[in-house]
Amino acid sequence: QKEVEQDPGPLSVPEGAIVSLNCTYSNSAFQYFMWYRQYSRKGPELLMYTYSSGNKEDGRFTAQVDKSSKYISLFIRDSQPSDSATYLCAMGGGTSGTYKYIFGTGTRLKVLA
Amino acid sequence: ETGVTQTPRHLVMGMTNKKSLKCEQHLGHNAMYWYKQSAKKPLELMFVYSLEERVENNSVPSRFSPECPNSSHLFLHLHTLQPEDSALYLCASSQDRQGRFFGQGTRLTVV
Repeated sequence: QKEVEQDPGPLSVPEGAIVSLNCTYSNSAFQYFMWYRQYSRKGPELLMYTYSSGNKEDGRFTAQVDKSSKYISLFIRDSQPSDSATYLCAMGGGTSGTYKYIFGTGTRLKVLA
Repeated sequence: ETGVTQTPRHLVMGMTNKKSLKCEQHLGHNAMYWYKQSAKKPLELMFVYSLEERVENNSVPSRFSPECPNSSHLFLHLHTLQPEDSALYLCASSQDRQGRFFGQGTRLTVV
């Protein structure tokens, strides 16, 4: 079993839709959870950083962490064509070491105008 | 310049060449990283430097040699690479274990 599982997509939605992106993980020691957005031919851009369980909101983006289910989500409200990108989840902490974050393979999102 | 800057953006090298990738961070962070990104694979951590000391070396072949002369600069020296080393090489920085801030990457092609 992979430490982090992420559906590769592509996920296609119409403009204005609510998008839900998810990752599951197996290491219950993970404490730090991140979401990145990566446009084609660019480096990943940090969108959300959360510690432990709960929700965090930033503009149209909401990150949720459910440690009991080992499941994290990123919601995008009022999606725009400019949101079309690959979204990577990442997590770490606990027994994985101070600096070793594990990344998902990414979900490719297409928002259709 | 802001954020994390990588040069060159693209590099084509022969298997017998020696080249270096350069990374500079302007964020005042105390940790820097090299990652490898290949198609359909998760980001692979290669090296971590914290306060200019290497703290992680993820079983990377010796044909990749990192150098961190100060907290703002990181290099990846390449020699006698293989075609399977072709990938996007990403530099990142962070303050302690906070989120990674990535550069734009160097697209490396080994011929």
